[in-house]
Amino acid sequence: NAGVTQTPKFQVLKTGQSMTLQCAQDMNHEYMSWYRQDPGMGLRLIHYSVGAGITDQGEVPNGYNVSRSTTEDFPLRLLSAAPSQTSVYFCASSWDRADQPQHFGDGTRLSIL
Amino acid sequence: SQQGEEDPQALSIQEGENATMNCSYKTSINNLQWYRQNSGRGLVHLILIRSNEREKHSGRLRVTLDTSKKSSSLLITASRAADTASYFCATAATNQAGTALIFGKGTTLSVSS
Repeated sequence: NAGVTQTPKFQVLKTGQSMTLQCAQDMNHEYMSWYRQDPGMGLRLIHYSVGAGITDQGEVPNGYNVSRSTTEDFPLRLLSAAPSQTSVYFCASSWDRADQPQHFGDGTRLSIL
Repeated sequence: SQQGEEDPQALSIQEGENATMNCSYKTSINNLQWYRQNSGRGLVHLILIRSNEREKHSGRLRVTLDTSKKSSSLLITASRAADTASYFCATAATNQAGTALIFGKGTTLSVSS
């Protein structure tokens, strides 16, 4: 099993560009989530999903969009990149609830110039 | 807002010494989880302690939970250089949107040989 796979690993964007961060898991997990990690801020929840077709906002959802058309995939879209979105983004998944052990990907390191 | 807060923010010890990290949280919980993050990698789940448990062991890890004080501690015994990492506690918080896993800002542990 690959676990949670995030692509790309690194990305540099210009302000105003849009892009999609990919997240896929092969464990048939219902619960998936996106976090951003910034120095001194810990991990902050962006969006999460409890199953295909269901998504909810986390602590810092502005500027990001998500969809969950399949159980396996949970892409994160940056609509119009801003320098404040420079961060490391992590995707995580668990069987079906937030309070279960989460499996994390290795992250996407995103720089917005 | 942060549900869990770790203390201290940073800890430096010698190999063979014990390392203790503390976590405080705000609301009632079903369980509390601890994660480790090595530099440049995603988080890895270490241990989960349920609200009706007071202590749990896993190898060199010992976790305690005091629900009356809303606090937990992670003890790593006989530390090794390979234990150098950041450690996070996490608890599930429920609001109008649903339930999500919220992380603290972490404790950075440095073990020198």
